[in-house]
Amino acid sequence: GENVEQHPSTLSVQEGDSAVIKCTYSDSASNYFPWYKQELGKGPQLIIDIRSNVGEKKDQRIAVTLNKTAKHFSLHITETQPEDSAVYFCAASMNTGNQFYFGTGTSLTVIP
Amino acid sequence: SQTIHQWPATLVQPVGSPLSLECTVEGTSNPNLYWYRQAAGRGLQLLFYSVGIGQISSEVPQNLSASRPQDRQFILSSKKLLLSDSGFYLCAWSPLAGGRYNEQFFGPGTRLTVL
Repeated sequence: GENVEQHPSTLSVQEGDSAVIKCTYSDSASNYFPWYKQELGKGPQLIIDIRSNVGEKKDQRIAVTLNKTAKHFSLHITETQPEDSAVYFCAASMNTGNQFYFGTGTSLTVIP
Repeated sequence: SQTIHQWPATLVQPVGSPLSLECTVEGTSNPNLYWYRQAAGRGLQLLFYSVGIGQISSEVPQNLSASRPQDRQFILSSKKLLLSDSGFYLCAWSPLAGGRYNEQFFGPGTRLTVL
């Protein structure tokens, strides 16, 4: 089955700096890659996603890049703010069955 | 718009007691439904998923079970809780597989503590 690895497990950045979180996947059939933000005590919220027919997608301060050949994708957050502090999860999915395979999460702390 | 509800929000149960967690979705029909467990500081573990009423697939053999008595209702149960069942339980829904979107949307979660 699919295996998703996520790095780093913890990340601290100064407010205003950029943060990058990376994930790799094993199954070349995966074609949908969402990113979730989870605040303490709450359910994960979808913040951005990318499909395998696109190499990059941007939404304001958040961007995701995908390298299908190398089987890795990354989340980029620019101009970080304290409210960006949370745990971020990546995932990989195939159309069949709609099952998601999640990374182990990255705890991001933005230091004011 | 679609919304997903879970209750209770928190639960403290003794070892060996039964469990019933409920999840309901509004504003959509025939969704795929999922139960995940998240241990403290850990990732998301898929427990069960359902593509329709009465159709349940189990990902992890354990003392938990799931049922889908109605299209938009998903229930997680146990006859006898173990200490290891403590965690944060998340329900999620997604549109039909093969549809235009694959997104999964999560509920607010239930914090279960087994003592």
